[in-house]
Amino acid sequence: TQLLEQSPQFLSIQEGENLTVYCNSSSVFSSLQWYRQEPGEGPVLLVTVVTGGEVKKLKRLTFQFGDARKDSSLHITAAQTGDTGLYLCAGAYNFNKFYFGSGTKLNVKP
Amino acid sequence: DAGITQSPRHKVTETGTPVTLRCHQTENHRYMYWYRQDPGHGLRLIHYSYGVKDTDKGEVSDGYSVSRSKTEDFLLTLESATSSQTSVYFCAISESVQSNTEAFFGQGTRLTVV
Repeated sequence: TQLLEQSPQFLSIQEGENLTVYCNSSSVFSSLQWYRQEPGEGPVLLVTVVTGGEVKKLKRLTFQFGDARKDSSLHITAAQTGDTGLYLCAGAYNFNKFYFGSGTKLNVKP
Repeated sequence: DAGITQSPRHKVTETGTPVTLRCHQTENHRYMYWYRQDPGHGLRLIHYSYGVKDTDKGEVSDGYSVSRSKTEDFLLTLESATSSQTSVYFCAISESVQSNTEAFFGQGTRLTVV
């Protein structure tokens, strides 16, 4: 059983479109992180959200942490081909472990 | 880039043989982690370490053991490899477990058990 469920699993869109990726859990996390992974590489951190209801923006990417700290979303505005990759959410659990979601594989077509 | 080196990067081994994967860091971070990544499952925690000789199990620890005799090295051993352990293995490090701590990942080891 996955502690963190991500949806959708796969997303293929045209350049310029908007998209939202979701990360849901029944557990409460002290923080939640979003990572992006390219083929053949390890994940790289995009953002950390800590406070319930927090919203963070990173250029065209907007991250939100749910009020109850059980879920999060990643919204990309005007997607570009360079956004293609695997997006992973990770929750800090019991203050000494990171648990990851199953990931959303995004393909942005030119 | 964080100084994390995984070795080997690729390995093919036979069922029933022992295999050891190595993670070496130059950042002097206290916490080290081993994950496996499989399609549809994302990254799953195998074992982690919170200091020299201090380790604990993750969610998929069966069939794996770890050792950390020095701050910079974290070894993952498959005592008797099985086909179900074919996967990509990632090592990660973090400085602390405060809520805004980043985990830095190695480039991964692709292990195939035939």
